[in-house]
Amino acid sequence: NAGVTQTPKFQVLKTGQSMTLQCAQDMNHEYMSWYRQDPGMGLRLIHYSVGAGITDQGEVPNGYNVSRSTTEDFPLRLLSAAPSQTSVYFCASSYSYPSGSYEQYFGPGTRLTVT
Amino acid sequence: EDKVVQSPLSLVVHEGDTVTLNCSYEVTNFRSLLWYKQEKKAPTFLFMLTSSGIEKKSGRLSSILDKKELFSILNITATQTGDSAIYLCAVGGSNYKLTFGKGTLLTVNP
Repeated sequence: NAGVTQTPKFQVLKTGQSMTLQCAQDMNHEYMSWYRQDPGMGLRLIHYSVGAGITDQGEVPNGYNVSRSTTEDFPLRLLSAAPSQTSVYFCASSYSYPSGSYEQYFGPGTRLTVT
Repeated sequence: EDKVVQSPLSLVVHEGDTVTLNCSYEVTNFRSLLWYKQEKKAPTFLFMLTSSGIEKKSGRLSSILDKKELFSILNITATQTGDSAIYLCAVGGSNYKLTFGKGTLLTVNP
């Protein structure tokens, strides 16, 4: 099993550009989520999905879109990049709701810089 | 809104010291509290504490949950330089989301 994979590992964007961060898992997990991590801020939830076709907003959803057409994939789209979106982005998955009894597995992260 | 507060935000100790990291929380319909260790990459899972499991231990690490006072502590005994990391606390409630604290940066000097 590859676990949770993310691409790219690093990305530099200019303000106003759009891009998609890819996330995939091969563990047949229903629950997937996207977090951003800024220095001294811990992890903040952007969007999450409880299954294919179902997504919902987290704590900081503005400027980001998600979709979940398959169980395996959960891409995060930046619509019009802004310097405030410079951050490290983590994708995570778990068998079911991570707040229950199920451990959440994290991908390796994508470091995004917006100039 | 769910809230998680970790303290201290940073801590510097010498190898062999014992450290205690704190996590207090406010959450609607508490389901679980999780501790993660983060080195220069993705967080890795340490412990999950729930109503049915309020104390966990693994080697030199241990954690307890006080559901009455709404806090948890993570203890690390006989610290080693490899324990240097950010330790994250997260809490899950009825909204099926995890809320993370800002983390404690632990530095263990030789």
